[in-house]
Amino acid sequence: NAGVTQTPKFQVLKTGQSMTLQCAQDMNHNSMYWYRQDPGMGLRLIYYSASEGTTDKGEVPNGYNVSRLNKREFSLRLESAAPSQTSVYFCASSVETAYGYTFGSGTRLTVV
Amino acid sequence: AQSVTQLGSHVSVSEGALVLLRCNYSSSVPPYLFWYVQYPNQGLQLLLKYTSAATLVKGINGFEAEFKKSETSFHLTKPSAHMRDAAEYFCAVSDMSNSGYALNFGKGTSLLVTP
Repeated sequence: NAGVTQTPKFQVLKTGQSMTLQCAQDMNHNSMYWYRQDPGMGLRLIYYSASEGTTDKGEVPNGYNVSRLNKREFSLRLESAAPSQTSVYFCASSVETAYGYTFGSGTRLTVV
Repeated sequence: AQSVTQLGSHVSVSEGALVLLRCNYSSSVPPYLFWYVQYPNQGLQLLLKYTSAATLVKGINGFEAEFKKSETSFHLTKPSAHMRDAAEYFCAVSDMSNSGYALNFGKGTSLLVTP
């Protein structure tokens, strides 16, 4: 039972480069989420997808785009990476918020 | 939007001592509340949740939390700390103002357990 799978686990980008973080879940969950974690800041919501075909902005969406490719997959794209986007990125999914989230193991991104 | 405040970014206890991690929430309606634990270099794992059933909620690894509406609190406790409890703990509240009821997380409390 894989749960939530994130790729890659580590990435170093140069300022201005683009990349896509991949997330896939195999639990038939309706909702998926992208958070970033920074020291002393907790987790902040970037984007979420309440159901297949819908996406909405969270607290810190600037500089990011998302795609809910199908029910399983929810990708996060950085079009032009900036050092301020150096962070650990977590994808999560849930069948319904009341049941809590299942988190992936994270992607550690460094922008130099 | 609903939010949580975790009091104390670092808490240190001795092995065998009581663990108390504090969380206060802001919400005008009964929220869903959660505690998550994060071990080093790992994702977050659900410890326990409150979803308007029993106010005293028991979770994994001997942790429990009590929902107190009058105090808008959801503090996490464990009677006797173990070395393996050393981790980062996050309180979270469901945000009813967005369509996905996405969770808003506190800034976290790092628990240190000393021998």
